[in-house]
Amino acid sequence: EAGVTQFPSHSVIEKGQTVTLRCDPISGHDNLYWYRRVMGKEIKFLLHFVKESKQDESGMPNNRFLAERTGGTYSTLKVQPAELEDSGVYFCASSRALSGNTIYFGEGSWLTVV
Amino acid sequence: LAKTTQPISMDSYEGQEVNITCSHNNIATNDYITWYQQFPSQGPRFIIQGYKTKVTNEVASLFIPADRKSSTLSLPRVSLSDTAVYYCLVSLGGGYNKLIFGAGTRLAVHP
Repeated sequence: EAGVTQFPSHSVIEKGQTVTLRCDPISGHDNLYWYRRVMGKEIKFLLHFVKESKQDESGMPNNRFLAERTGGTYSTLKVQPAELEDSGVYFCASSRALSGNTIYFGEGSWLTVV
Repeated sequence: LAKTTQPISMDSYEGQEVNITCSHNNIATNDYITWYQQFPSQGPRFIIQGYKTKVTNEVASLFIPADRKSSTLSLPRVSLSDTAVYYCLVSLGGGYNKLIFGAGTRLAVHP
C-alpha cells in the first residue's frame, strides 16, 4: 500500500509568487490533514478535511492560504502571494474515518521563500 | 485537547533499553495516546498507539497506567539508527482529529 505522497518535495520561490503543494493520501482514507513547521518552531496543525469537506481549518494562518480537496481524493494547498515567513516544511497526513485509526504522515514539502 | 509533557532530550547507548515517559494529566475519556518518531528532513513516522494498559508491536511497547495520566514508550535494545525526535500525542478518537505536537524528546544513541 502506497503511503501519503507529497509534491513537490522541495520548492524555492520568490516573495510574492504563488506555490501549490499537492498531497495524495493513502487510498481509502477519508481524513486528510495539513500541518507545517516553520523554522525553529513546533509542528502546527493547519486544517482537516473529511472527504471533500473542511472539518476544521482553525490553524490556517491567513487568507493567503487556500486548501482544496475536490472529489475527496487528493488535496492542494496554495499559498498566494508567498511571504518570507511562509518558509518551512508542510506535512500532509491521512487516516481512515474510524475512531482509533492511525494518522500517517507524508515526507513533507519543503518551501523556501526568498 | 490534552497537553503533553515529555523530556526535551535523552541520551543512551547502543543495545540499551530506552524508556521515554510522557505526562498527559488532562487526558479525556475518549483520547488515545500515540507516539511518533521523526528523523531530520522526514515526516513523523507512526510508532505505536494505545488507549490503556500495554501495547506491543515489533518496534516498541507502550505502557499506560490505569489513570492514563502518563504513558511510557519503551524501545528495546536501541541502535544508532534510533537517534531521532520522539513525539507523544493525545487526540480525541485516535485518527479522528488533529494532533497537537510539542517539542518532542530528542533521543541520541551513542556507540
